Amino acid sequence: SAVISQKPSRDICQRGTSLTIQCQVDSQVTMMFWYRQQPGQSLTLIATANQGSEATYESGFVIDKFPISRPNLTFSTLTVSNMSPEDSSIYLCSVPGTPSIHEQFFGPGTRLTVL
Amino acid sequence: DQQVKQNSPSLSVQEGRISILNCDYTNSMFDYFLWYKKYPAEGPTFLISISSIKDKNEDGRFTVFLNKSAKHLSLHIVPSQPGDSAVYFCAARSDSNSGYALNFGKGTSLLVTP
Repeated sequence: SAVISQKPSRDICQRGTSLTIQCQVDSQVTMMFWYRQQPGQSLTLIATANQGSEATYESGFVIDKFPISRPNLTFSTLTVSNMSPEDSSIYLCSVPGTPSIHEQFFGPGTRLTVL
Repeated sequence: DQQVKQNSPSLSVQEGRISILNCDYTNSMFDYFLWYKKYPAEGPTFLISISSIKDKNEDGRFTVFLNKSAKHLSLHIVPSQPGDSAVYFCAARSDSNSGYALNFGKGTSLLVTP
């Protein structure tokens, strides 16, 4: 299984500011996924980040709000831009599992609170 | 809209007894189902999965049952142990999803009491 770390683990931010979340994997992976879990809700996929190409965003999520970088096969960042209290969530990155790519491995998450 | 539903937000079971966690889905295109377990301050951990071509998959104390006609799956934990206390998420995917997106339920919090 992949070992995934995220930074920061938690943060409290003021509305209107931006926060960049980092995700580091201990092995090279083609795809990385970013999820959001709002309070009391299910995990929702924000986007798929492929190395060397633009991220693919799910319906309801846009690049201007959640820009993603994928500079290499072990690292990705998600930025939450111009934050509002509605962005208060846990943000998680994940990678496809092995041998089954469907069984994704998740990082520990970043708990974001926007005041 | 929520395509994967876990209608019981919480469940309490005595140690040694069976825990049954339920999950319903609405999308008939889902072809692969997974259960994840999540402890506080940690990310979800993959537990067990089942393909739509099967109706049962067993791994130690954990068994997942799939009833495609009812669009229902369940996770059985026998015997339950206090360390099983966690939030359990049901997830599903289909080839028609973009990439490898997983659709998650809201989770069921299981408490196993000694």
